[in-house]
Amino acid sequence: LAKTTQPISMDSYEGQEVNITCSHNNIATNDYITWYQQFPSQGPRFIIQGYKTKVTNEVASLFIPADRKSSTLSLPRVSLSDTAVYYCLVGDMRGNAGNMLTFGGGTRLMVKP
Amino acid sequence: DGGITQSPKYLFRKEGQNVTLSCEQNLNHDAMYWYRQDPGQGLRLIYYSQIVNDFQKGDIAEGYSVSREKKESFPLTVTSAQKNPTAFYLCASTSYSNQPQHFGDGTRLSIL
Repeated sequence: LAKTTQPISMDSYEGQEVNITCSHNNIATNDYITWYQQFPSQGPRFIIQGYKTKVTNEVASLFIPADRKSSTLSLPRVSLSDTAVYYCLVGDMRGNAGNMLTFGGGTRLMVKP
Repeated sequence: DGGITQSPKYLFRKEGQNVTLSCEQNLNHDAMYWYRQDPGQGLRLIYYSQIVNDFQKGDIAEGYSVSREKKESFPLTVTSAQKNPTAFYLCASTSYSNQPQHFGDGTRLSIL
């Protein structure tokens, strides 16, 4: 299983861009990189997923270098409501791959006014 | 809307009692998962099922049991053998493709 390392916590201010980097040196060929957001007492919510290069959707961008040993989640112009825990996951996402996902401790993002 | 429904939202267990947490999905997903989350921690896998009538242990299966009699349902029983059951329990599901897991909103279990 690919282990991930990400900062325990980060602080930011409203309107700033936030970049959270995740290291995954042992990523395997079939592994995708997926980021989730979790608010207190709620289930994790999917943010973005990628395999290589750059992926962008309406809420975030995901930058993956060629060696895929790290990835960076970029949140543009954060607001107070973006205060949450962000999890980086690396694994084979297919349902028939079984328990190939490992959730680490995540990064606690605090957005201040 | 399709999604995953977990019930109840809060549950209390007495010493020596078994309790069952419900998880239902109408996403037509093949695989379902149960995770445990302790305060300030990440998620740990308890059990998962890739197909009806089949399931596998995750990292912390001791003291828990599951069944998968229907594709849309994956109940988790917390048995009296689980000595520290107080936690937030999350159910998830996914299909046989590189799609992300969908999560329910959890059940918080406490000991009376």
